[in-house]
Amino acid sequence: GENVEQHPSTLSVQEGDSAVIKCTYSDSASNYFPWYKQELGKRPQLIIDIRSNVGEKKDQRIAVTLNKTAKHFSLHITETQPEDSAVYFCAARASYGKLTFGQGTILTVHP
Amino acid sequence: SQTIHQWPATLVQPVGSPLSLECTVEGTSNPNLYWYRQAAGRGLQLLFYSVGIGQISSEVPQNLSASRPQDRQFILSSKKLLLSDSGFYLCAWSPDSNSNQPQHFGDGTRLSIL
Repeated sequence: GENVEQHPSTLSVQEGDSAVIKCTYSDSASNYFPWYKQELGKRPQLIIDIRSNVGEKKDQRIAVTLNKTAKHFSLHITETQPEDSAVYFCAARASYGKLTFGQGTILTVHP
Repeated sequence: SQTIHQWPATLVQPVGSPLSLECTVEGTSNPNLYWYRQAAGRGLQLLFYSVGIGQISSEVPQNLSASRPQDRQFILSSKKLLLSDSGFYLCAWSPDSNSNQPQHFGDGTRLSIL
């Protein structure tokens, strides 16, 4: 089955800096890669996703890149703000709508 | 628009007691439905998923079971809870098996076993 590795497990940045979270996946058939943000005690919420026919997608301060050959994808957050502090999960989907999630990255943005 | 409801929000149960958590989706038909568990400070573990009424796939053998008695209803159950069943349980849905559409999560149930 699919295996998703996510790094780093914790990330601490100063407000205004950029943050990058990286994920690798194992199943070359995976074709959909969402990213979720989970604030403390709340549900994960989708922040951006990318499909395998696209190499990069951007939404304001958030961007995701996908390298199918290397089987890795990354989340980029620019001009970070304290409200970006949360746990971020990457995921990959290969079949039947099942998502395989990474282990999560705790992002802390210091004012 | 589609909405997902999950209840209760919190639950405290003694060891050995039964469990029933319910999840319903509105505004769509024949969704894929999922149950996840999240231990404190940990990732999302897929427990069960369903692609249709009465169709349940188990991802991890354990003390829990799932049922889908109606198209938009997904139930997580246990006959006898263990201490290790504590956690944050999340229900999620996605439109169907073959479309690359995101999963959307309910607000979750925080389950504490005493």
